[in-house]
Amino acid sequence: AIQLTQSPSSLSASVGDRVTITCRASQGISSALAWYQQKPGKAPNLLIYDAVSLGSGVPSRFSGSGSGTDFTLAISSLQPEDFATYYCQQFNSYPLTFGPGTKVDIK
Amino acid sequence: QVQLQESGPGLVKPSGTLSLTCAVSGGSISSTNWWSWVRQPPGKGLEWIGEIYHSGNTNYNSSLKSRVTISVDKSKNQFSLKLSSVTAADTAVYYCARVGNAFDIWGQGTMVTVSS
Repeated sequence: AIQLTQSPSSLSASVGDRVTITCRASQGISSALAWYQQKPGKAPNLLIYDAVSLGSGVPSRFSGSGSGTDFTLAISSLQPEDFATYYCQQFNSYPLTFGPGTKVDIK
Repeated sequence: QVQLQESGPGLVKPSGTLSLTCAVSGGSISSTNWWSWVRQPPGKGLEWIGEIYHSGNTNYNSSLKSRVTISVDKSKNQFSLKLSSVTAADTAVYYCARVGNAFDIWGQGTMVTVSS
């Protein structure tokens, strides 16, 4: 199975900060990567698919980049509603796998 | 607007079978999408369980494959999950999701506790 690692595992940031989260795959997955945001007690919400494409209704401050084994989720200017946990997921091969998550909280 | 809603018992006894259903509304389960189950133990990350196409084709996580069955009922526009021989390690929130552009639509999730 393809393993995904995320860094950092958690971070503290302020409103207006630029935030980046990295996801690394144990083997190449082309661009078959998605990013999700999850708030406590809620289902995950799709942010980015195919590594770089913005999900429906997702604010443009979110962006994705990368291919192969190294991927990045960026939030250009952190908003109060962005404090949450973020997960990457690979779709290149079965079993589909998720990263362990990155928790973004208020500094 | 497609919506998904999970339903099923919130408590299952050890060694029993967990059974959940995901009702699809606002769209057809016979669309060109796969339909998936994902779970999340309390305080932990997400685990993909498996998926089904309306034709009945399935893919399962190899870590659960011997215990998992996912089926589809096109007449009721829903799909289901059965997980057998459950233990406390199967306690989790179970989500169903549509596989479109990634997992683009999710149900709200249902908590299942395995306990006697």
